[in-house]
Amino acid sequence: DVKVTQSSRYLVKRTGEKVFLECVQDMDHENMFWYRQDPGLGLRLIYFSYDVKMKEKGDIPEGYSVSREKKERFSLILESASTNQTSMYLCASSPIGTGSNQPQHFGDGTRLSIL
Amino acid sequence: AQTVTQSQPEMSVQEAETVTLSCTYDTSESDYYLFWYKQPPSRQMILVIRQEAYKQQNATENRFSVNFQKAAKSFSLKISDSQLGDAAMYFCAYRSARGGSQGNLIFGKGTKLSVKP
Repeated sequence: DVKVTQSSRYLVKRTGEKVFLECVQDMDHENMFWYRQDPGLGLRLIYFSYDVKMKEKGDIPEGYSVSREKKERFSLILESASTNQTSMYLCASSPIGTGSNQPQHFGDGTRLSIL
Repeated sequence: AQTVTQSQPEMSVQEAETVTLSCTYDTSESDYYLFWYKQPPSRQMILVIRQEAYKQQNATENRFSVNFQKAAKSFSLKISDSQLGDAAMYFCAYRSARGGSQGNLIFGKGTKLSVKP
């Protein structure tokens, strides 16, 4: 089975801090994604990556950046955390071929609170 | 741009009964894929069922089946013989058959399903 591991289930940080959320997948998937999940809004795509060192903005990239130095690892960075970034963050991966019927595989999520 | 609409924020079903979750989508494309994902409380989101738009036959996976109406752009999920473990958020998602960023998933806002014993 595909395993997508997010480094923290719960995280509490302070306003202005630089926050790193880590995601690792073990299936050699080319594609990796970061979503934000808020009640009533569903999942919104923050950033995605199709290959090492490649990244593309999703629907809500403002206030975030990403890093993909290795194929299996995709990091989400909050450069200066703000209270409106309090949310559930989901990482996902999928094999090459977006635009296919291959599903994305999700991690357990990180519930981030910014105080 | 494509959109996915789940008109039922919450649904409830009695254990062993059948429930149908609604999903509609808007697209001008003819080739695409549709998915239902399940997210149990505090647990990982998993794929429930998928449907290729070019297939006329509705997908089924054990107690889960879909009613895919391409002309109406409707993709409902039917859960038969509901079990307590079916209680979860259910998300409908659309993916274009095109590659690149156009092939990313587009999610609905979700339906929270409760199962009463």
